[in-house]
Amino acid sequence: GENVEQHPSTLSVQEGDSAVIKCTYSDSASNYFPWYKQELGKRPQLIIDIRSNVGEKKDQRIAVTLNKTAKHFSLHITETQPEDSAVYFCAASMRYNTDKLIFGTGTRLQVFP
Amino acid sequence: DVKVTQSSRYLVKRTGEKVFLECVQDMDHENMFWYRQDPGLGLRLIYFSYDVKMKEKGDIPEGYSVSREKKERFSLILESASTNQTSMYLCASRRQGDFNEQFFGPGTRLTVL
Repeated sequence: GENVEQHPSTLSVQEGDSAVIKCTYSDSASNYFPWYKQELGKRPQLIIDIRSNVGEKKDQRIAVTLNKTAKHFSLHITETQPEDSAVYFCAASMRYNTDKLIFGTGTRLQVFP
Repeated sequence: DVKVTQSSRYLVKRTGEKVFLECVQDMDHENMFWYRQDPGLGLRLIYFSYDVKMKEKGDIPEGYSVSREKKERFSLILESASTNQTSMYLCASRRQGDFNEQFFGPGTRLTVL
């Protein structure tokens, strides 16, 4: 079946360093790839997304890249800050029902001051 | 501002009880979802509703049922709660159509004793 693999499961960085989270999807027909951030005790919230006709998208310190040939996409956070500490989930739309998403297993990012 | 609310933040039930989890959204969204969140497993889809009275099984529907009698409300029902259903349950909603964001509720942490 369709699935999304996400790595690493945990990531620790020093404040100011960059962080990269990678996801691989199985369905070449997936065309929408959102990233959600979930702070401790809070709901997941969309932070950035990318469509399959775009290779890269940036929003201030965060960026997402998509490689359709390799079927993987990555979240890049530059100049990390303690408030970036959270669990990050990637997701991909499903082939036969683009209303639904398949989520990765999550990455716990810790940014140390 | 989209608002998705869930009836309880914390719930404790006994094995064998029938449990109702309620989700309400105020943005006239067609699509609603119930997910289960467990450490290391990410967000797994239990059930999905396209619109009123329409539902579709997700990846892990066993032991659950749903009801969507009104557009704004999507209920998850545990027919006979079991200890392996102890988890965080997240509801989400979105407007029908490609590339639309899913908005999550705050979650219900259910403990089955």
